[in-house]
Amino acid sequence: AQKVTQAQTEISVVEKEDVTLDCVYETRDTTYYLFWYKQPPSGELVFLIRRNSFDEQNEISGRYSWNFQKSTSSFNFTITASQVVDSAVYFCALSEVDSGNTPLVFGKGTRLSVIA
Amino acid sequence: KAGVTQTPRYLIKTRGQQVTLSCSPISGHRSVSWYQQTPGQGLQFLFEYFSETQRNKGNFPGRFSGRQFSNSRSEMNVSTLELGDSALYLCASSFAGGSSGANVLTFGAGSRLTVL
Repeated sequence: AQKVTQAQTEISVVEKEDVTLDCVYETRDTTYYLFWYKQPPSGELVFLIRRNSFDEQNEISGRYSWNFQKSTSSFNFTITASQVVDSAVYFCALSEVDSGNTPLVFGKGTRLSVIA
Repeated sequence: KAGVTQTPRYLIKTRGQQVTLSCSPISGHRSVSWYQQTPGQGLQFLFEYFSETQRNKGNFPGRFSGRQFSNSRSEMNVSTLELGDSALYLCASSFAGGSSGANVLTFGAGSRLTVL
């Protein structure tokens, strides 16, 4: 069965520090997708990135970067030079493809607080 | 382009009552998924509707039900409310289906239900 683990429940950093949010997943499928979502205090989850299981290239988008490693079943998310506006709960999620139509499964989330 | 709209945003009910929550997806999106978010259990999948048919269902009791209309709008109903049903209920829409692996879900801001 698919599972996503975000071991860090809460992280607090000072503005301009770099921070990495960890995500470890479990799946028996060969084909799957990994996602990161951000949930600000307003409540709605905001999509950040999607990565398929065949694409292990790291991705950088501005201050955000993602490191996907199939060998360790991890999909970590790094924020460089954090800002107060980055304060939110971040969720990693997994969607399997080979197993048929399975819904998105989320980790428990990591609450990031960036202090000015 | 309007996002996913959920109503009501906040509501308070007492044990034993029932509640109906509404979700209007992004125009053109045919799939609507519902998730329950609680501090203890995190984000848990309730069900997904696609073209008025329930395509997937999570592990929730029969008190939780839903439906989708021909215009893709969806409602979920919880009957005989229990204290444990207090949660943020999130609706998400996608074009082809939230359980189709690659599809990105766009979430609404949620309906926060408090059961007293």
